[in-house]
Amino acid sequence: KAGVTQTPRYLIKTRGQQVTLSCSPISGHRSVSWYQQTPGQGLQFLFEYFSETQRNKGNFPGRFSGRQFSNSRSEMNVSTLELGDSALYLCASTPGGGYTEAFFGQGTRLTVV
Amino acid sequence: SQQGEEDPQALSIQEGENATMNCSYKTSINNLQWYRQNSGRGLVHLILIRSNEREKHSGRLRVTLDTSKKSSSLLITASRAADTASYFCATDPTGGGNKLTFGTGTQLKVEL
Repeated sequence: KAGVTQTPRYLIKTRGQQVTLSCSPISGHRSVSWYQQTPGQGLQFLFEYFSETQRNKGNFPGRFSGRQFSNSRSEMNVSTLELGDSALYLCASTPGGGYTEAFFGQGTRLTVV
Repeated sequence: SQQGEEDPQALSIQEGENATMNCSYKTSINNLQWYRQNSGRGLVHLILIRSNEREKHSGRLRVTLDTSKKSSSLLITASRAADTASYFCATDPTGGGNKLTFGTGTQLKVEL
C-alpha cells in the first residue's frame, strides 16, 4: 500500500508570490490534514479536509487555503508569501473512525526568499 | 498554538540505556499519540493511548497517561543509535486523528 505522497519535496519562492502544494493520501483515506512546522512555532495544525469539505481549521490567516478533490487528493495554497512562511509543510491522512493514528507524508520544504 | 510542553527538550544517552520523555497538555483529550521524526522529515506514528487507559506497551516502548495531571511519558528501553530522532506527543480531541495538537518535542541522541 503506497504511503502519503507530497509534491514537490523542495520549493523556493520569492516574497509576494503564491505557491501550491499537493498531497495524495493513502488509498481509501478520506481525511487529509495539513500542518506547518517551523523552528519557532513547532508543529501547528492548518486545516483538515474530509469529503471535499473543510471540516476543521487552525489559527492561520486567510492567505492559507486548501481544497480536496473527489479522489481525496488535497492541495494547499499560500498566497502573497512572506519570509515567515518558510517551513516544512506536512500532510497527514486518516482512514476515519475513532482512535486513529495519522499517516504523514515526507513533507514539502518551502523556502521564501 | 501548541498544546503543551515536552521535557526534556534534548536528551543524550548511551546505547543500551533507557530514555524517558515527558509531555504535558492543557485540554481534555480523546487520546494521546507519540510520533518520531528523523531529521526534519515526515512523522512516524509510534503508539496511541486512549484517555481511559493508563499504560500501554509496544515492543521497547512504554507509554503512561495521567489524565488528572494532564501528562504522559514515553519510555524507550535499551536504546539504539537508530532511535536518534525527535519525539513528539500529540493530543487528539476528537479521536479521528485528523486535528492533532503537538508538543514542543524532545530531541533524543543515542550515542554508540
